[in-house]
Amino acid sequence: KQEVTQIPAALSVPEGENLVLNCSFTDSAIYNLQWFRQDPGKGLTSLLLIQSSQREQTSGRLNASLDKSSGRSTLYIAASQPGDSATYLCAVGPNHNAGKSTFGDGTTLTVKP
Amino acid sequence: GAVVSQHPSWVICKSGTSVKIECRSLDFQATTMFWYRQFPKQSLMLMATSNEGSKATYEQGVEKDKFLINHASLTLSTLTVTSAHPEDSSFYICSAPMGGTSNEKLFFGSGTQLSVL
Repeated sequence: KQEVTQIPAALSVPEGENLVLNCSFTDSAIYNLQWFRQDPGKGLTSLLLIQSSQREQTSGRLNASLDKSSGRSTLYIAASQPGDSATYLCAVGPNHNAGKSTFGDGTTLTVKP
Repeated sequence: GAVVSQHPSWVICKSGTSVKIECRSLDFQATTMFWYRQFPKQSLMLMATSNEGSKATYEQGVEKDKFLINHASLTLSTLTVTSAHPEDSSFYICSAPMGGTSNEKLFFGSGTQLSVL
């Protein structure tokens, strides 16, 4: 059974800092890995999707990497802003069924002005 | 990007009543949609896979008679919590894969906070 762990559970940084969020998974036989953002009481917003054959994806100030063999992914946020404050979830997708992705518990990020 | 609309965003009901939650894909067709439940400070747990034109597939431990799912069209799936009780209070979220197939990028609704008194 796939297990996804996100460390740390919470992170607080001053505005402008670069930061890294970590996601680890136990079963390396994955199809894809997706990073999401969730604001309090809201649904999930997709940030980046990495297919198993890819090593990284970039979107603006966000960069996600994937090391399938070691069961790790990182989400790098450059020049953090208060608007980045949210919970960040990673989800590991098994073969050909994104809906059966296993989600981590998330890292709650607070960026202080 | 793709948009998934979920309604209502919150509902408060008395114990014993039924509550219907709608999930719509606004700008794409979704033969498959997914329903999740999320407890405070915990991650999403997949409850069931909604299949257009056929029966939903429920995850182990999820009562299909309790959580009725209907996927009557390519853009609408509904989750009905029947005879709701306080322990059903939770945050329910739906998602749909862009492109319609189950291995595509997931887009989520905004969630429904259900409070059963």
